[in-house]
Amino acid sequence: SQTIHQWPATLVQPVGSPLSLECTVEGTSNPNLYWYRQAAGRGLQLLFYSVGIGQISSEVPQNLSASRPQDRQFILSSKKLLLSDSGFYLCAWRSAAGAAVNTIYFGEGSWLTVV
Amino acid sequence: GQQVMQIPQYQHVQEGEDFTTYCNSSTTLSNIQWYKQRPGGHPVFLIQLVKSGEVKKQKRLTFQFGEAKKNSSLHITATQTTDVGTYFCAGSIQGAQKLVFGQGTRLTINP
Repeated sequence: SQTIHQWPATLVQPVGSPLSLECTVEGTSNPNLYWYRQAAGRGLQLLFYSVGIGQISSEVPQNLSASRPQDRQFILSSKKLLLSDSGFYLCAWRSAAGAAVNTIYFGEGSWLTVV
Repeated sequence: GQQVMQIPQYQHVQEGEDFTTYCNSSTTLSNIQWYKQRPGGHPVFLIQLVKSGEVKKQKRLTFQFGEAKKNSSLHITATQTTDVGTYFCAGSIQGAQKLVFGQGTRLTINP
């Protein structure tokens, strides 16, 4: 069965510090990978998605970046965090083929507080 | 670009009352999905609707996909405290690599 792991689960970072959130998927090959952000009590904002190694599409201009160094690894980074970067970050994957091709499966999320 | 609007944003009900959330897309969808996010948790897939006019049931939950494949609804009969959470619809158009999520409906229940 497929699983998705995301870490760290929570972190508190000072303004101007770097960020690295990591996500890995197991049990599938060549998944589509996604990073979403959810501000407190709000909806899901798509930040980045990737259809393959090294292929990153950015949805919202910001000081965040994403990378996919391996097929099942997706990393969200920032060189200098802003207060507005606080939120709940969710990694997600979707199968590239099969009956459930459109279903997105989310990781457990990472709570980021920038202070 | 493609937009998915979801209403209401919030809904508070007494336990035992029914609840409905509605989803409308600016474009025709190839399919629509529904997710539930419990407080403090991550969204979890509930169901996918593909066919025009499709209706699916999961116990007390009834999901509908409109004839024009531009709107959908989720209806919960006789809510229970375990139904608390935020319900999201998400739609995709043919060939798209991403889902577009609605803003979600946050359901709270008075026991």
